[in-house]
Amino acid sequence: DAGVIQSPRHEVTEMGQEVTLRCKPISGHDYLFWYRQTMMRGLELLIYFNNNVPIDDSGMPEDRFSAKMPNASFSTLKIQPSEPRDSAVYFCASSNTGGEQFFGPGTRLTVL
Amino acid sequence: EDQVTQSPEALRLQEGESSSLNCSYTVSGLRGLFWYRQDPGKGPEFLFTLYSAGEEKEKERLKATLTKKESFLHITAPKPEDSATYLCAVRKSSGDKLTFGTGTRLAVRP
Repeated sequence: DAGVIQSPRHEVTEMGQEVTLRCKPISGHDYLFWYRQTMMRGLELLIYFNNNVPIDDSGMPEDRFSAKMPNASFSTLKIQPSEPRDSAVYFCASSNTGGEQFFGPGTRLTVL
Repeated sequence: EDQVTQSPEALRLQEGESSSLNCSYTVSGLRGLFWYRQDPGKGPEFLFTLYSAGEEKEKERLKATLTKKESFLHITAPKPEDSATYLCAVRKSSGDKLTFGTGTRLAVRP
């Protein structure tokens, strides 16, 4: 039974470039969450969806960040333009009825 | 504002030396308290959910307990493979978001 799948696992890019992170949630889960983890701030919720609809994006740091969920099995988090302070590990998690969340392996983003 | 504070930040134990990790929380209406384990380079792995004061759950050498203000993760006779960062999170009754603490880094020496 596949868990949450994220791609790419590592991304190195230069400041100003567009970055797209991808997530496939666990089949049958109706909630999807995007988090960012840094040493300084820990694990922060960026945005979450319920049944493909964005419910709360109050954690999205600024307009450079956007997220979409076109269907129940796919979501993207886009950063345009990227900045060095965006360097972090980005996690996607999914859950059933908003209970226990199951996390993917993360994408380590480095912006030079 | 919801707050989750974990202590200690780091803990070093000898193999077999039992101890407890603390998670203190402030939330308006607790809908669930969650414990996760995170290994380096990996995503958090779900361990337990606790819903009401007095509840306890166990898994191998781990036991989680809950009061109205805090939760403890007790580790009995730990082994080196228990070394990880342990995160707790709360979910309040009015939403679906989890608020995470900053974690306790546990190192168990053989």
